[in-house]
Amino acid sequence: DAGITQSPRYKITETGRQVTLMCHQTWSHSYMFWYRQDLGHGLRLIYYSAAADITDKGEVPDGYVVSRSKTENFPLTLESATRSQTSVYFCASSADRTYTFGSGTRLTVV
Amino acid sequence: AQSVAQPEDQVNVAEGNPLTVKCTYSVSGNPYLFWYVQYPNRGLQFLLKYITGDNLVKGSYGFEAEFNKSQTSFHLKKPSALVSDSALYFCAVRGNYGGSQGNLIFGKGTKLSVKP
Repeated sequence: DAGITQSPRYKITETGRQVTLMCHQTWSHSYMFWYRQDLGHGLRLIYYSAAADITDKGEVPDGYVVSRSKTENFPLTLESATRSQTSVYFCASSADRTYTFGSGTRLTVV
Repeated sequence: AQSVAQPEDQVNVAEGNPLTVKCTYSVSGNPYLFWYVQYPNRGLQFLLKYITGDNLVKGSYGFEAEFNKSQTSFHLKKPSALVSDSALYFCAVRGNYGGSQGNLIFGKGTKLSVKP
């Protein structure tokens, strides 16, 4: 199916563990984004990518790493998870000033 | 710096009444403005956007928004609210990250509650 999919939908991990959130889009959009959603903050940009192998930091990048070896995939890695990274994570892709979001991953760090 | 403000954390409306969800923005240059809706445990769904042209923008599910440059506002409206409109609504403006495409900068969201 065409669209943007995130996996897993839910994840519980322990403090200090590495965890990777996956994002896949089928439109071949050049631009992709990772946001986190927290109560009282709305959505904040973590990282973005303008094309394969081109990534850059957003507003709140500390503790996160991204890669984009293929246009359709944009994984987000928490290198050593902390409780402050408990959040809902959204991936988005964009073209022609239209932004489409995935269903999100709810991550809990215990 | 670009920013978006949604002054109301929650808006309560009776079914059948008109609804307004407020949004003000601060940008340098011409704004690109967006409204999204989020239902519980779901992703963000696009409602409408203003890029240029007519100040009144019509979107999905009967929603519309009016761009007011002098008041730097982009309020979301609907003539007759439905219980199914109850959700979290986000206003967004295009930001500076992401080169020519730009990222979206979001307000904190307004919870809309429509009572029967």
